[in-house]
Amino acid sequence: DGGITQSPKYLFRKEGQNVTLSCEQNLNHDAMYWYRQDPGQGLRLIYYSQIVNDFQKGDIAEGYSVSREKKESFPLTVTSAQKNPTAFYLCASSIAGRWFFGPGTRLTVL
Amino acid sequence: DAKTTQPNSMESNEEEPVHLPCNHSTISGTDYIHWYRQLPSQGPEYVIHGLTSNVNNRMASLAIAEDRKSSTLILHRATLRDAAVYYCILNWGAQKLVFGQGTRLTINP
Repeated sequence: DGGITQSPKYLFRKEGQNVTLSCEQNLNHDAMYWYRQDPGQGLRLIYYSQIVNDFQKGDIAEGYSVSREKKESFPLTVTSAQKNPTAFYLCASSIAGRWFFGPGTRLTVL
Repeated sequence: DAKTTQPNSMESNEEEPVHLPCNHSTISGTDYIHWYRQLPSQGPEYVIHGLTSNVNNRMASLAIAEDRKSSTLILHRATLRDAAVYYCILNWGAQKLVFGQGTRLTINP
């Protein structure tokens, strides 16, 4: 089945550690995105990439980094510079005006 | 980004129609109206989108006002599985979807 996979589903991290969230898609979409969602809130854009080897900052990029070395992969690193990293992280891809979302990774900083 | 306004919450009964409103008075001529919904602890899923004409698919219908300043998502016969947060979003094919707070829909058995 085509779709977006995110791993792990739950992730725990100690304060001060960097952590990388995985996002893979087999939909052959050029565009990929990372969103963050806090409890009871809508999604906020962290980073997006329109094509391999290119990406742009979204609305809340501080404390995060990404890479896009392959079309199917768009990993997100949450660095120790992110002040409040506990949240639900969603990866998405899009084509022709439709967005497809992964199941999300819930990150908790202990 | 053009802004949308939705009620924070709505409630309906199972097997009845549900009309979810969305106001977008600053919509531009090229903005598409998108609807996504998000079930608890899941990623959003596509529901429907349209530009000017009303649209139907197997999940829902989208009624767009003639001046395009408002639209309504119609679930013809709600089930308990339709309980979710529904987001109305404007997008013209730009690089990002901008999410608001959405409408939390509760379905009563």
